[in-house]
This record gives sequence, C-alpha cells and structure tokens, in this order.
Amino acid sequence: RKEVEQDPGPFNVPEGATVAFNCTYSNSASQSFFWYRQDCRKEPKLLMSVYSSGNEDGRFTAQLNRASQYISLLIRDSKLSDSATYLCVVNRGTGGYNKLIFGAGTRLAVHP
Amino acid sequence: ETGVTQSPTHLIKTRGQQVTLRCSSQSGHNTVSWYQQALGQGPQFIFQYYREEENGRGNFPPRFSGLQFPNYSSELNVNALELDDSALYLCASRLSGMGETQYFGPGTRLLVL
Repeated sequence: RKEVEQDPGPFNVPEGATVAFNCTYSNSASQSFFWYRQDCRKEPKLLMSVYSSGNEDGRFTAQLNRASQYISLLIRDSKLSDSATYLCVVNRGTGGYNKLIFGAGTRLAVHP
Repeated sequence: ETGVTQSPTHLIKTRGQQVTLRCSSQSGHNTVSWYQQALGQGPQFIFQYYREEENGRGNFPPRFSGLQFPNYSSELNVNALELDDSALYLCASRLSGMGETQYFGPGTRLLVL
C-alpha cells in the first residue's frame, strides 16, 4: 500500500463545475501537508498548504483531518486553466529535514 | 519562475552507463532535495543535502549518489544505469529555517535504453 493514496482520475468536468479531490496518508508521523499542481511535462508547483482548520485561497479550499488521515481539495468555478494533475503531498521530515512524500496525482480535465 | 535550473533538459543513456545531472539552486538556498518521477507516478524522494552533507535519504540504492557544492549547486550521479531509471529527475531547493516551501526546477528527462 502506498503511503499517500489518491484517486488517479481523470476527472472530466465542464467549466464552472465544482470538483473535489481526496487523499489519504498512512503515516501518522507526517508533519505537514500540501497540494501541488503539475502541468503536463512540467515541474510540480505548490498550490497551497493544508491545515486542520481548513484554508482557502480564492476558488481553492483545502482541508486536513488528522484523526482520519485524510486531506481534501475543493475547486469551485473550474476554469480551463485548472486542467492539470494535482498532487497530494505530506512532509515526514522534522526541523531542517524535509522528506516530501507525493501521491501519484489526480488528473483534472476542464472542458468548455 | 522558481530560479532553480537543471541541466541537461533531456538525456539518453544505455544500460550500465553512468550519468551526472546538475542543479543550480535558487540564490541563497542552502538545502536541495532530489526526486525521481516515473511516468504516471508522483515524485519519489531520493535524498536531501544541507550545507554539503547528505542529511536524509529515501529508498534508493547506493548507486544513486549526490554532491552539494559551497555555492549550493548540486549533482545527482547514477551509476550502472538500469532501464527502470528512465524518469524525470527533479531537484528542489529551499532555505532551511525559512519555511517548508521547496522550489522545483524544470527537471531532467532521462531515458535509458
């Protein structure tokens, strides 16, 4: 079993739709959590950090449930430019040592 | 752009050969991590260097080795290449103690034949 599990998709949604991605992680020692976005044949880019209190950045909302070891990302009012692979990431490092564990990613395709 | 550069962008090698990939960190960043991303998978952590010392390693064999230089540029060396080493190799830099955000370079795409 992988340490970070995601639904691979693809999620095919029309513009304006709301889409939710889920992710589970198995190591309770994980310290911090992120969503990264990766466009085709490009490097991953940080989308947002994820906190237990939930956090929002424009159309994006991320949530962490430590008890269930579950992370979510909600995208509202989808745009064509949101088409990408979304990577769920946990950091198992502490202090100066960062060990990012990536899920395999969920593909999103937004169509007109 | 992240300010992290990698070279070369693409590389073709044959089984058994050795390869060196290079990364130039964002200015002032003293920590660099390397990742391997196979097709259809998320990046996998290879190792991290902080101030020229390896201070963390993932589940990769010793034929994967690295160096970090005083100017914080770094190298990833892979000996005795195997077909399964074909992947996108990413480096990511950050400034230790200034948050966890890592800045990824564009990667080197390695094909082993």
